[in-house]
Amino acid sequence: AQTVTQSQPEMSVQEAETVTLSCTYDTSESDYYLFWYKQPPSRQMILVIRQEAYKQQNATENRFSVNFQKAAKSFSLKISDSQLGDAAMYFCAYRSIMDMRFGAGTRLTVKP
Amino acid sequence: EAGVAQSPRYKIIEKRQSVAFWCNPISGHATLYWYQQILGQGPKLLIQFQNNGVVDDSQLPKDRFSAERLKGVDSTLKIQPAKLEDSAVYLCASSSITGVSNTEAFFGQGTRLTVV
Repeated sequence: AQTVTQSQPEMSVQEAETVTLSCTYDTSESDYYLFWYKQPPSRQMILVIRQEAYKQQNATENRFSVNFQKAAKSFSLKISDSQLGDAAMYFCAYRSIMDMRFGAGTRLTVKP
Repeated sequence: EAGVAQSPRYKIIEKRQSVAFWCNPISGHATLYWYQQILGQGPKLLIQFQNNGVVDDSQLPKDRFSAERLKGVDSTLKIQPAKLEDSAVYLCASSSITGVSNTEAFFGQGTRLTVV
């Protein structure tokens, strides 16, 4: 089975600064997608950004960008110009046609 | 477009009782997932449906958990009998698949189950 590992249980960042959340995964499949989801206290999972494995170009969504290293099976999330509203649990997720698995999550705190 | 609907939002039951959760995915979404999220942990996949067929239920405790999606739309997840360790948030998600392309999963707000 595919596994997703987030090695940082907690991270903190000063408002307006940049923070990087780490994620590694294990798979033998070639066709898959990777996602970062945000989960605020309301429990609603919100998609932050996604990356298709066949694309070499790193995905970017406004202040959010990823560093996708396919050979290393690494998928980190960079949040620039952090805002108070970014505080939440962040989950890395792997999805293939057969499976969708999540990491254990990283709790991000944003300090004013 | 309407999102993934789940009910109830909260449920408290005593151990050994039974409980059922309901999920209505986004219209047209063929894939439906049920996840269990224990406090402080990431979501754990319990079962994945493709239309009304099961794709993956390897992590579903089949001695007490069951799930169905009879008409390929709505789904129910049942626990019978419940144990204290079943206390968690149960998340339902759905996604569409176009050809070999995958899209993101859209999540409902979850059902928080407390077993006392």
